[in-house]
Amino acid sequence: SAVISQKPSRDICQRGTSLTIQCQVDSQVTMMFWYRQQPGQSLTLIATANQGSEATYESGFVIDKFPISRPNLTFSTLTVSNMSPEDSSIYLCSVDKGQGDEQFFGPGTRLTVL
Amino acid sequence: RKEVEQDPGPFNVPEGATVAFNCTYSNSASQSFFWYRQDCRKEPKLLMSVYSSGNEDGRFTAQLNRASQYISLLIRDSKLSDSATYLCVVNPRGSQGNLIFGKGTKLSVKP
Repeated sequence: SAVISQKPSRDICQRGTSLTIQCQVDSQVTMMFWYRQQPGQSLTLIATANQGSEATYESGFVIDKFPISRPNLTFSTLTVSNMSPEDSSIYLCSVDKGQGDEQFFGPGTRLTVL
Repeated sequence: RKEVEQDPGPFNVPEGATVAFNCTYSNSASQSFFWYRQDCRKEPKLLMSVYSSGNEDGRFTAQLNRASQYISLLIRDSKLSDSATYLCVVNPRGSQGNLIFGKGTKLSVKP
């Protein structure tokens, strides 16, 4: 597995503001992903963070709302833009080390939007 | 039909019990299958992959039935520390990144 850290671990934000979440991996990885887990729900993939190119978004998620960066093979950021209370969720990054399609998750960022 | 369906539970069992969870998936072309464990307020952690021939890891046994499109997880001799939510996960397209998560089955093991 990989050691994955996320910052911040939690935040409380005001409606209309934006929050950038960072994900750092201790080794180079092929694939990095961003998920959302809303209260009582399963994980939903937001996008795949591609190194050196634009992220690939899943249906229902758009770049304007969730811009993603991936400047290198160990780091990615997800921004939640123009937040509303419906964005209150846990946001998790995950990595695939390329040895199968298992994914390993960061500890998550718990976001509350007031 | 949801892509991945699980009985949400909760399953409340005494220590030492054997408990089984089932999961069904809708896409018959799905390639890879996993069980993850998620503790309260923590991230999901890979418990085991599920292979066509079935596989065992200590007290945990996973089975795949492709004909019926279901996956099972059997936990023998339950421990208090097994209390968690167990997530059934399917890769429907066989390519990296496309994991579909079930909502999870909650297990509570009591003394």
